[in-house]
Amino acid sequence: ELKVEQNPLFLSMQEGKNYTIYCNYSTTSDRLYWYRQDPGKSLESLFVLLSNGAVKQEGRLMASLDTKARLSTLHITAAVHDLSATYFCAVDGASGTYKYIFGTGTRLKVLA
Amino acid sequence: NAGVTQTPKFQVLKTGQSMTLQCAQDMNHEYMSWYRQDPGMGLRLIHYSVGAGITDQGEVPNGYNVSRSTTEDFPLRLLSAAPSQTSVYFCASNSAGEQYFGPGTRLTVT
Repeated sequence: ELKVEQNPLFLSMQEGKNYTIYCNYSTTSDRLYWYRQDPGKSLESLFVLLSNGAVKQEGRLMASLDTKARLSTLHITAAVHDLSATYFCAVDGASGTYKYIFGTGTRLKVLA
Repeated sequence: NAGVTQTPKFQVLKTGQSMTLQCAQDMNHEYMSWYRQDPGMGLRLIHYSVGAGITDQGEVPNGYNVSRSTTEDFPLRLLSAAPSQTSVYFCASNSAGEQYFGPGTRLTVT
């Protein structure tokens, strides 16, 4: 059974600090996706990582993918309050089918 | 360009009632899917479609039916609502792996 595990599940951090969210998965998929969800809202696509070694950056967020380790990281640099949200990673459970499996999410709270 | 739209936004059903959640997209995407999100959890795939006339089951398909007669529309039907189906339902369409989500339908079954 394909599993996608995120840690930590909850993260409270001070503004200006750096931190990393980890996403481990159990399949051999080489595609991984990161999403953001604000409370009571829908999901917004952040990053699409399509190959081993892929790295993408947008503002204070940087995502990377190591398919050999079955690990993706979402690194937060100099956090600001606006980054407070829940972050999900998702994996294509069967390559090419877009049958996605989501992690349980990391709830991030950035304290001023 | 409205993206992905869902109706209704909120719905309360009694146990045993049936209803259809509507989803439409105007981006001409072939792939569409339905998810449910329960409190404190990630999304779980209910059903998905890779094009008009083609649907398949996801992780949690029991109690739900789908059909895809057009590229634009992908309705989700609850056959006989149960309290366990209380959840937030999201529809998404997909282009080259990137998913675009609708605003969601919050369903309560009493």
